[in-house]
This record gives sequence, C-alpha cells and structure tokens, in this order.
Amino acid sequence: AQSVAQPEDQVNVAEGNPLTVKCTYSVSGNPYLFWYVQYPNRGLQFLLKYITGDNLVKGSYGFEAEFNKSQTSFHLKKPSALVSDSALYFCAVRGFNDYKLSFGAGTTVTVRA
Amino acid sequence: DAGVIQSPRHEVTEMGQEVTLRCKPISGHDYLFWYRQTMMRGLELLIYFNNNVPIDDSGMPEDRFSAKMPNASFSTLKIQPSEPRDSAVYFCASSFIRGGTEAFFGQGTRLTVV
Repeated sequence: AQSVAQPEDQVNVAEGNPLTVKCTYSVSGNPYLFWYVQYPNRGLQFLLKYITGDNLVKGSYGFEAEFNKSQTSFHLKKPSALVSDSALYFCAVRGFNDYKLSFGAGTTVTVRA
Repeated sequence: DAGVIQSPRHEVTEMGQEVTLRCKPISGHDYLFWYRQTMMRGLELLIYFNNNVPIDDSGMPEDRFSAKMPNASFSTLKIQPSEPRDSAVYFCASSFIRGGTEAFFGQGTRLTVV
C-alpha cells in the first residue's frame, strides 16, 4: 500500500522568508511524486512533479522540491515566500505500476506580511 | 482546452434524495478519478476509471454510491439516498498516466445534504 505523510498541519512564515513544506512517502518501487496547491473554494492546481532524473525539481510560481530517496522525502520549498502563497498544499504519490494517486492530509501555509 | 468541467458547482439537497454529480474530463485523457474532500478525512479517492472501465472502487464508502463512465467524455457519481454525512466537496480529475503525467482537477462540486 502507498501512503503520504505531511507532518505539519500548518506552516507560518513571514513574507520574504524561506518556506518549506514537508512530505514523506511510502510506495513500492520507484515513485512518481507531485505537489498541488489549493486556494479557497478552488480545485487543486498542479505545482511540480518528480518522475526521474535530477533530485531537485522546479515548478510553478518559484516553487521547487527536493527528492531524497534514502529518506523517502519530497519537501516543497520556496526561497522567498509571498503573502499570495498562503493556501493549502498537498503532496501526492503513485507507484510506477500503480495508477492510484494518493494524497497527504495537506498543510495550510500562512504567509504574513 | 477548458480543463476538467464539473457540474453543478453547488448542490443542496434534502436527506433521502438522489444526487448526481457530473464530470467532463479533458479530451484525450484515459484515466478519470473521483475524490471526496472533507475536513475530517482530507482527500479520499473514491473510484477511478481507465478507458471508461472502473478499475478500483474500493474507496466508495457504501452501496449508496455509484459511478459510471458511459463514454470517454462523461462520468457521473450518484448518491442514492443521500445522507447529511455525505456533505463534502467532490472532485473529478483526469490524466494520462503514461510517463508520470500529472492529474488535472475540476473545480469541484460542493454538496450539502440537509
């Protein structure tokens, strides 16, 4: 069975400071990993993904994420957070031969001005 | 492409009534997923289809829930009879799965059962 853990329900940072949202996963074989963002009353928007290759992947809106196979982690990062980054962030995983996409519980990010 | 389209955006119904949620996936996508989002349970995968065929419905909570995909451009999720605990936001998503393509989500249907 595959699963995703987002250990922090909430992350609070000041605007301009670096932002990190943590994610660890469990899956058989090589993983496909994804980050999504959800704004109030909206659907989930894709941010970035890791399929293979470089462990550091870059995505939309200045976000990036680092894949660490030994720690089974895929943390989302942004060097300088904006107030507009305040939203609910989801990490998701699926296995190479498994088409079921499993989501973490989500982390609410609040960036204060 | 307009993306994944769900209707209605909001639905309020009385307990015991039948509710039908609709989804139009992105053209050409061969996988379709139905998710439910609640504060208590987060995002739950209810069922997914490949080429219109249901592959895994293990997330469907009860026999009151059913889903169909009669063709590649349309899917429905039906709840009959509805109960207050079914109140949630229901999302439809579609994707190519090959090559690790991401899933694209609709705007969701907010269901309230009173």
